[in-house]
Amino acid sequence: DTGVSQNPRHKITKRGQNVTFRCDPISEHNRLYWYRQTLGQGPEFLTYFQNEAQLEKSRLLSDRFSAERPKGSFSTLEIQRTEQGDSAMYLCASSLASGLTDTQYFGPGTRLTVL
Amino acid sequence: GQQLNQSPQSMFIQEGEDVSMNCTSSSIFNTWLWYKQDPGEGPVLLIALYKAGELTSNGRLTAQFGITRKDSFLNISASIPSDVGIYFCAGLGGAQKLVFGQGTRLTINP
Repeated sequence: DTGVSQNPRHKITKRGQNVTFRCDPISEHNRLYWYRQTLGQGPEFLTYFQNEAQLEKSRLLSDRFSAERPKGSFSTLEIQRTEQGDSAMYLCASSLASGLTDTQYFGPGTRLTVL
Repeated sequence: GQQLNQSPQSMFIQEGEDVSMNCTSSSIFNTWLWYKQDPGEGPVLLIALYKAGELTSNGRLTAQFGITRKDSFLNISASIPSDVGIYFCAGLGGAQKLVFGQGTRLTINP
């Protein structure tokens, strides 16, 4: 399977704990995105990388959230001191930006439940 | 956050019927994408549209990029049970982030 992969698929944690998610993009895709999706809503943008550089962060991304993409390959999203409001599906997408097109392909997501 | 206006929010149809859904926005987009999402899974790309006025088909699916660049529609012909799911439109503007609609939940009665 050469699609976007995410691990873990599900994470249950207690409030106040730290969690880290991993995303492996499609090989050779230079852009990687993180989105958050709550029940009944469409995904909302969190942040994106072009290669290893983090180029934009949403106001949704509080200082408890940090994302990295070392070496421009896989990415991690860490949430510190989790809160119940952080419960959501965290989606990763990747794209090969070319000219005006930037078609994003999504992974299966990580479902986070904060108790 | 900014969202597209997607309608209808839900549809209940008989197997074999055609389906139509659309998205509108107050902003101009350079790219429109349509995704399908099954429960517990990530969105799967169905159709990508890159030019105003473009009409693109993918099997029983047809989508169009509105001429004003502020709207798009998706049609599904002769629906089958595996078409059940939530369909999302998404627009890509000058920034690289996708802006999503609220989704259309499709239910099919056999």
